[in-house]
Amino acid sequence: QLQLQESGPGLVKASETLSLTCTVSGGSISSSSYYWGWIRQPPGKGLEWIGSIYYSGSTSYNPSLKSRVTISADTSKNQFSLQLSSVTAADTAVFHCVRHPGYCSKGICSYNWFDPWGQGTLVTVSS
Amino acid sequence: QSVLTQPPSVSAAPGQKVTISCSGSSSNIGSNYVSWYQQLPGTAPKLLIYENEKRPSGIPDRFSGSKSGTSATLGITGLQTGDEADYYCGTWDSSLSAVFGGGTKLTVL
Repeated sequence: QLQLQESGPGLVKASETLSLTCTVSGGSISSSSYYWGWIRQPPGKGLEWIGSIYYSGSTSYNPSLKSRVTISADTSKNQFSLQLSSVTAADTAVFHCVRHPGYCSKGICSYNWFDPWGQGTLVTVSS
Repeated sequence: QSVLTQPPSVSAAPGQKVTISCSGSSSNIGSNYVSWYQQLPGTAPKLLIYENEKRPSGIPDRFSGSKSGTSATLGITGLQTGDEADYYCGTWDSSLSAVFGGGTKLTVL
């Protein structure tokens, strides 16, 4: 059974870079069938897709966060990571890593559903 | 402000049926598959419906999904107290981003 587990600091100072890692077990991130992504949820609020990475290394990011986000993968460790720079209090959230398929046509891929989800890790940005 | 619009809350009695709506536009729901998620208190979201109406293995047929034009609906029949949760719809948007609704809190009275 595929499982995803987030890890990283639970407290980050404002203006610094948030770094999280997702460790995948029960499956390989090198699979060509799926993408691997990050979704966050501020306390008491809704879901926001951050970005995703494909086994080839290609990435796609939420346009609203693109300038601050980097997602990378380490296939030897079966992990992928998130870096979010210049964080503010508005970035405080539970961060989930996810797996998802891509629906691709003419070079454009859409991501319509996410499963499974990691349990999530709360990252608080302090001033 | 979420791209997709859901009612903040719905409620119904045990055993009854409830529907949750999700409204979007031609740039998202109108041209892409819709998915639905259940988030029980203190847990991660769980996929309930994908590709508008399909249920993953293990999801009971009490849960159903449909889509028409730029709106989608999640239906839950035979309500149980264990169904009390937040429900989110999601899809892809032409702005090149996955988008979600603001969530609907289901209360089973």
